[in-house]
Amino acid sequence: QKEVEQNSGPLSVPEGAIASLNCTYSDRGSQSFFWYRQYSGKSPELIMSIYSNGDKEDGRFTAQLNKASQYVSLLIRDSQPSDSATYLCAVTQYSSASKIIFGSGTRLSIRP
Amino acid sequence: DGGITQSPKYLFRKEGQNVTLSCEQNLNHDAMYWYRQDPGQGLRLIYYSQIVNDFQKGDIAEGYSVSREKKESFPLTVTSAQKNPTAFYLCASSINGEYYEQYFGPGTRLTVT
Repeated sequence: QKEVEQNSGPLSVPEGAIASLNCTYSDRGSQSFFWYRQYSGKSPELIMSIYSNGDKEDGRFTAQLNKASQYVSLLIRDSQPSDSATYLCAVTQYSSASKIIFGSGTRLSIRP
Repeated sequence: DGGITQSPKYLFRKEGQNVTLSCEQNLNHDAMYWYRQDPGQGLRLIYYSQIVNDFQKGDIAEGYSVSREKKESFPLTVTSAQKNPTAFYLCASSINGEYYEQYFGPGTRLTVT
């Protein structure tokens, strides 16, 4: 079982709709959870961090965390063509909090 | 302007040659990391360092070496022992603390032929 699992996609969403990206993780002791956006050929950019159960909103982005289910998600409201990218879920390890494990990413495509 | 710089952006080498990738940060971050990304895959940790003069192996350290003589700098050497060195190499840094948010440099794309 992979430590951080994401559906590779592509996930195709019409412009203006809500994009929902999901991630599950295996380390029950993980404390910090991150979403990175990566455009093709570029480096990852941190867009959301979440540390406690529930929702965290920042502009059009909402991160949701459920530690009991070991599940973290990212919602993008009013999707724009510029949101088309690969989204990486990342989770810290309980045994070494300074180490982050990355999922393989979900490719999101916003269609006009 | 605070940030992480990596140079060069593209690097080409012949098989059998060692090559050193540069990573510098002026964010005053304590920890620095090196990752490798292959097409269509996630990031894999090569080495990381939480303080000067100390570093730990990540998941795929074989064929790589690092040094951390200054807080700002964490160069990565790809040696001839690395079997498949062609990849996108990413350097990141974070503050040592409770949450360890990592921020990435622009990356170096290494091609070995």
